[in-house]
Amino acid sequence: GAVVSQHPSWVICKSGTSVKIECRSLDFQATTMFWYRQFPKQSLMLMATSNEGSKATYEQGVEKDKFLINHASLTLSTLTVTSAHPEDSSFYICSARPRTGFYGYTFGSGTRLTVV
Amino acid sequence: QKEVEQDPGPLSVPEGAIVSLNCTYSNSAFQYFMWYRQYSRKGPELLMYTYSSGNKEDGRFTAQVDKSSKYISLFIRDSQPSDSATYLCAMGGSNDYKLSFGAGTTVTVRA
Repeated sequence: GAVVSQHPSWVICKSGTSVKIECRSLDFQATTMFWYRQFPKQSLMLMATSNEGSKATYEQGVEKDKFLINHASLTLSTLTVTSAHPEDSSFYICSARPRTGFYGYTFGSGTRLTVV
Repeated sequence: QKEVEQDPGPLSVPEGAIVSLNCTYSNSAFQYFMWYRQYSRKGPELLMYTYSSGNKEDGRFTAQVDKSSKYISLFIRDSQPSDSATYLCAMGGSNDYKLSFGAGTTVTVRA
């Protein structure tokens, strides 16, 4: 149990375009989902926390207008990178906290974004 | 000083050896502790979850938490080449749901 599906696994887009990444909890309801960014050989950096039905809370230094997060249901959260630039190229990972029965956070498989 | 300290390694051991990993932390409010394994270009995989102090065993993995010393450990017995990965410790408290991560330790198990 506790599976989180993240799509796409990798995406290449042109500068100036927008990219949407989906994060789904497949077998549980997630009241809270988290979005992370990871640079090569570094640990995870929290970008924002989203709760179902409410606005996301962004970490300091993360542009909320560039990284749009929507948590429309208890099983789906999306991250949209708007007007992407090459410096947005990175590995993005989501995780989810179950509504009940917490035994640790489950992470998605990650999305490698390359902006050209 | 970082909230969670973890030696980044790298750590190289022969197949069959015991791998010992650890993290120290400074926030006494942390109550739950996790160890994750991350392969290159993949999301972290939850290995062990522990609430408060104590030991927990799951197959070849043993997690230990000593809250009085603010020190957690992960032991991997009979290590296999497939255990070669980066291991991340993570912890959190009940005040909010955010996790604090260690830097990750890169482990190589030599066949």
